[in-house]
Amino acid sequence: AQTVTQSQPEMSVQEAETVTLSCTYDTSESDYYLFWYKQPPSRQMILVIRQEAYKQQNATENRFSVNFQKAAKSFSLKISDSQLGDAAMYFCAYGAARQLTFGSGTQLTVLP
Amino acid sequence: DAGVTQSPTHLIKTRGQHVTLRCSPISGHKSVSWYQQVLGQGPQFIFQYYEKEERGRGNFPDRFSARQFPNYSSELNVNALLLGDSALYLCASSFQWGPGDEQYFGPGTRLTVT
Repeated sequence: AQTVTQSQPEMSVQEAETVTLSCTYDTSESDYYLFWYKQPPSRQMILVIRQEAYKQQNATENRFSVNFQKAAKSFSLKISDSQLGDAAMYFCAYGAARQLTFGSGTQLTVLP
Repeated sequence: DAGVTQSPTHLIKTRGQHVTLRCSPISGHKSVSWYQQVLGQGPQFIFQYYEKEERGRGNFPDRFSARQFPNYSSELNVNALLLGDSALYLCASSFQWGPGDEQYFGPGTRLTVT
């Protein structure tokens, strides 16, 4: 069974600074996808960024980028120029066989 | 365009009762997935439906069932409620059913079992 581990229950960052959230996963599959979702207090889960496992190039979406290390099964999220609106719970998720497996989440606080 | 909608927003049930949760996907989306999110944890996969057929099932007891209607909306049913069923139930829709398809989540239904 696939597992996703987020070892940082809480993180904080100063506004305008950069923060990196960690995620590791375990799988025997070769074809899969990795995602970072954001869940603000409103509860609506929002996709932040997606990475295809077969692509070596790291995905980037504006201020959000990932560091995908397939051999190490590591998938970290970097948020640059942090904004107050980035404060939320962030979930790393693994996608294969038509279901998502989520980690336990990292609560990100952005300090003004 | 409207996003994924779920009803009700909140509900309170007593142990042993039955509950039905409803989900309407984004227009044009044919796949609906259900997740259970216990407080302080990440969502756990319950079911996926595509074109009205069950395509995936997570590790949940038979008390949990679901169905998808011709208009692609979906219902999640839970029988014989237990205290441990208290959670946020999330519905997600996607255009197709591949592992890389972006899933769009609804706001969830908060179920409290007393």
